[in-house]
Amino acid sequence: DSGVTQTPKHLITATGQRVTLRCSPRSGDLSVYWYQQSLDQGLQFLIQYYNGEERAKGNILERFSAQQFPDLHSELNLSSLELGDSALYFCASQGVNTEAFFGQGTRLTVV
Amino acid sequence: GQNIDQPTEMTATEGAIVQINCTYQTSGFNGLFWYQQHAGEAPTFLSYNVLDGLEEKGRFSSFLSRSKGYSYLLLKELQMKDSASYLCAVKAAGNKLTFGGGTRVLVKP
Repeated sequence: DSGVTQTPKHLITATGQRVTLRCSPRSGDLSVYWYQQSLDQGLQFLIQYYNGEERAKGNILERFSAQQFPDLHSELNLSSLELGDSALYFCASQGVNTEAFFGQGTRLTVV
Repeated sequence: GQNIDQPTEMTATEGAIVQINCTYQTSGFNGLFWYQQHAGEAPTFLSYNVLDGLEEKGRFSSFLSRSKGYSYLLLKELQMKDSASYLCAVKAAGNKLTFGGGTRVLVKP
């Protein structure tokens, strides 16, 4: 158990809909990363938050947004969903001078 | 920006040794990580290098040369369970952590 919790584990939704993925980092970790992994592809960096502030942004679509709350949990919002958004979405948290720990991921299927 | 390259796929025999190379270009280098990922599962941490040289951890070793922008992960005494993807990740300034595309290793009996 990495200590990072992601919910839900699985999500099936229709095109055009909006979903929210949730991540609770390890206790004390201030950094949260979001990654997208399509089938048989590498991890694509989406966005990073540090102590509530956006720290870095990757190739995140405008239809996607995220935030980190005062209690340090983070949410990734995906809207106007398309079939190509079907993927595993991972959250990772990191403390100072430690490795990043990954949650088990949310498998999103858009039908 | 950052650019991280690693081979897409490698095949090796059980009991053998495999070396997975990773080259990177980045600004503000702050460390390099190796992760293992089995299909459909979360990546798990293997090793971390921030200074030049070799870090050994059981059957796995990782090497870093900052001047060459180069690292490798060495897997010794390969076991069937080592069949997985191996991800090289570079931490840049601001703690941004970027992953390479991963190297899929297939261990054959």
